[in-house]
Amino acid sequence: DIQMTQSPSTVSASVGDRVTITCRASESVNSLLAWYQQRPGQAPKVLIYQASILENGVPSRFSGSGSGTEFTLTISSLQPDDFATYYCQQYDTYWTFGQGTRVDLK
Amino acid sequence: QITLKESGPVLVRPTQTLTLTCSFSGFSLTTSGLGVGWFRQSPGKALEWLGLVYWDDDERCSPSLKHRLTITRDTTKNQVVLRMTNMDPVDTATYFCAHFAQRRNFFDPWGQGALVTVSS
Repeated sequence: DIQMTQSPSTVSASVGDRVTITCRASESVNSLLAWYQQRPGQAPKVLIYQASILENGVPSRFSGSGSGTEFTLTISSLQPDDFATYYCQQYDTYWTFGQGTRVDLK
Repeated sequence: QITLKESGPVLVRPTQTLTLTCSFSGFSLTTSGLGVGWFRQSPGKALEWLGLVYWDDDERCSPSLKHRLTITRDTTKNQVVLRMTNMDPVDTATYFCAHFAQRRNFFDPWGQGALVTVSS
């Protein structure tokens, strides 16, 4: 199984802050990496796929980068709607998720 | 617009078989390249992929759960059914189904989820 490791597990931030979340794969997943946002009590929603492609309708303050085993999700200016948990997911070999990064209010 | 909704028992006894139904609209599982996947999320834990059924009735399951899982489709009812045998309290989780498109190879959108508790 490909293991996905996210860091940090929690980010405490304020509205307007720049937030960066890192995801590391146990082996190369090429660029087959998606980022999901999950709000409490809701289903996950895809934000970015293929490491850096923004899903339709997702605000441009979200961006993704990386390839191989190291990936990053950046929120350029945190908004109130963005307080949620974020998961990376590789889809190179089956589908596995990171353990999640919770973004909460500082 | 694609929507999915999970339904099934709220409580399952240990050793019983869980049967969950995913009812969907906005697409057909007879369309080449499409599928429906299943996931679960234990309380406070990360997401786990369980399995996927494709438009051609091919099935893929997580290697660690393959021996307990069956995923079938009913194209006339627009439903996909997950069966998981020998349920245990550690299987307590919210179970989600999600739309899959092979050209993108990931899952979106998802259903709202169904909480299943395994307890005697």
